[in-house]
Amino acid sequence: DTAVSQTPKYLVTQMGNDKSIKCEQNLGHDTMYWYKQDSKKFLKIMFSYNNKELIINETVPNRFSPKSPDKAHLNLHINSLELGDSAVYFCASSQRGADTQYFGPGTRLTVL
Amino acid sequence: DAKTTQPNSMESNEEEPVHLPCNHSTISGTDYIHWYRQLPSQGPEYVIHGLTSNVNNRMASLAIAEDRKSSTLILHRATLRDAAVYYCILRSGGSEKLVFGKGTKLTVNP
Repeated sequence: DTAVSQTPKYLVTQMGNDKSIKCEQNLGHDTMYWYKQDSKKFLKIMFSYNNKELIINETVPNRFSPKSPDKAHLNLHINSLELGDSAVYFCASSQRGADTQYFGPGTRLTVL
Repeated sequence: DAKTTQPNSMESNEEEPVHLPCNHSTISGTDYIHWYRQLPSQGPEYVIHGLTSNVNNRMASLAIAEDRKSSTLILHRATLRDAAVYYCILRSGGSEKLVFGKGTKLTVNP
């Protein structure tokens, strides 16, 4: 069973569109994250939620809106997509206070 | 966030030990040293972490300098599957953030 799963794996879309990426974890963790890895391979945290509450928001444009319907899910909605949003987006989860974050396989977003 | 410095790339031969260095001269007393790796086309994967003492697990060993300003990740017998980018990360106690640097790209030759 996949611990942290993301859908879709690949997403190709036009500039200006709105798209969502879904993340689910079956590890029973209470904290979930979104990271962005750009074309230069830099991996940077975007958001973190603990028990459905936002705890980290790293100066991400308002076009990005995370939503956590429950502890096991953290979705990322992106409005008005721009070319610079093209990247691989990774979801991760952990138990708050624990040492290890578990990452999903990534969603490669390409904005044309 | 405290910074780490790692070589951009390293090469090793299969079944030989690999020592991946990391400098973190500005480490604070509450910073844990974490190592993650990212295999090609996959998400990062936890490897090991420590505070002051050397640590061993099934994947690797972590050797921490006495002054904590540097550390070394040791893969005892590299396999082709260990080819990845290895990230050394300082994580403050109680912080949920992982701040990734550029990492070291490890190539393992057969």
